[in-house]
Amino acid sequence: DAGVTQSPTHLIKTRGQQVTLRCSPKSGHDTVSWYQQALGQGPQFIFQYYEEEERQRGNFPDRFSGHQFPNYSSELNVNALLLGDSALYLCASSTGTGRTEAFFGQGTRLTVV
Amino acid sequence: SQELEQSPQSLIVQEGKNLTINCTSSKTLYGLYWYKQKYGEGLIFLMMLQKGGEEKSHEKITAKLDEKKQQSSLHITASQPSHAGIYLCGGPPNFGNEKLTFGTGTRLTIIP
Repeated sequence: DAGVTQSPTHLIKTRGQQVTLRCSPKSGHDTVSWYQQALGQGPQFIFQYYEEEERQRGNFPDRFSGHQFPNYSSELNVNALLLGDSALYLCASSTGTGRTEAFFGQGTRLTVV
Repeated sequence: SQELEQSPQSLIVQEGKNLTINCTSSKTLYGLYWYKQKYGEGLIFLMMLQKGGEEKSHEKITAKLDEKKQQSSLHITASQPSHAGIYLCGGPPNFGNEKLTFGTGTRLTIIP
């Protein structure tokens, strides 16, 4: 079992550009959550996908959007990048029941210059 | 909204010593997750607690959730260099919800 995998591991983008991050959940998991972690802070919830729909959303602007595919993998898209979007983006997969652990990927380090 | 406060923010411990990290919630916890993070990397799941008074152990790490479900502690016995990292506690806003609010973390350094 490969666990939760994210790609790419590192990314450098220019302010105003758009970026897509990818996540493959752990085998047997159907729910994917995305978090943003700024340096020195705890992860902040962006949104969660289940059955290809956004089920919950945190306090993030519409520039942050996502998608879940039939195989449960997910993408996080960020438009009109700002310098403040520089962070570690983490993907977590789970069973969606809230009764089992959520496993995280290794993250994607996004730097906006 | 729920807030989780961790203490201490950082901890330097001599190898072999015991230590405790605390996580306090502003509201009743409907579950509490403990994770470990190496700098700049993903989160490694340690333990999940759901019931008041629950205690779980794995190797040299023990986590407890108090009866009132507003505070959790993580205790490491006979610390080793491999225990170094950032420890994060996270909790959902209600039962069955997997949207986690995290504390700011406790940075643990182990010195020989």
